Amino acid sequence: DPKIIQKPKYLVAVTGSEKILICEQYLGHNAMYWYRQSAKKPLEFMFSYSYQKLMDNQTASSRFQPQSSKKNHLDLQITALKPDDSATYFCASSQEGWGEDTQYFGPGTRLLVL
Amino acid sequence: QQQVRQSPQSLTVWEGETAILNCSYEDSTFNYFPWYQQFPGEGPALLISIRSVSDKKEDGRFTIFFNKREKKLSLHITDSQPGDSATYFCAASGSNYQLIWGSGTKLIIKP
Repeated sequence: DPKIIQKPKYLVAVTGSEKILICEQYLGHNAMYWYRQSAKKPLEFMFSYSYQKLMDNQTASSRFQPQSSKKNHLDLQITALKPDDSATYFCASSQEGWGEDTQYFGPGTRLLVL
Repeated sequence: QQQVRQSPQSLTVWEGETAILNCSYEDSTFNYFPWYQQFPGEGPALLISIRSVSDKKEDGRFTIFFNKREKKLSLHITDSQPGDSATYFCAASGSNYQLIWGSGTKLIIKP
């Protein structure tokens, strides 16, 4: 059974629209992360949450908003989508959020903005 | 500012050869260095890691060599197999919660 679920697997959106990427982890972890991967940037850290609190935000744009409704959920809302937002978005989790914790990645959501 | 650098960006070796992937860092407080392996269409997964108190860590065909003085480390993959073809990320962390990622090396093993 998959331990980290990301929905949807593929997503096509039009410029200017809003989408929510879903992430659920069933590893019992207390920290969750979002990463973005594209041809321009191999693996780009976006956000980290620990015990549902924001720990680090490396995303310059406020169009990207994480949402944590439950301890094991960390969704990513993206507003005013742009073609440059096209990428694969990975959710990850770790036990406590320390740098030495092993991070476990989900399968990713591939977003294409037209 | 890129705190963790990887080279080469891509590497092609023949099956059976040793692949050497390089990583360097700037922050002397970094003390933990994991390497993650990513296959196409999947998320990265931890492959092997080393702490700065060690100069070598071995796990089967994968070995990390660590040089604290020069702030460099390398991942050696001996007897390379086509199944080792993947992108390898070096990362580093220090005394806080951040894990700093390198830009990755895409490894291709030719049969």
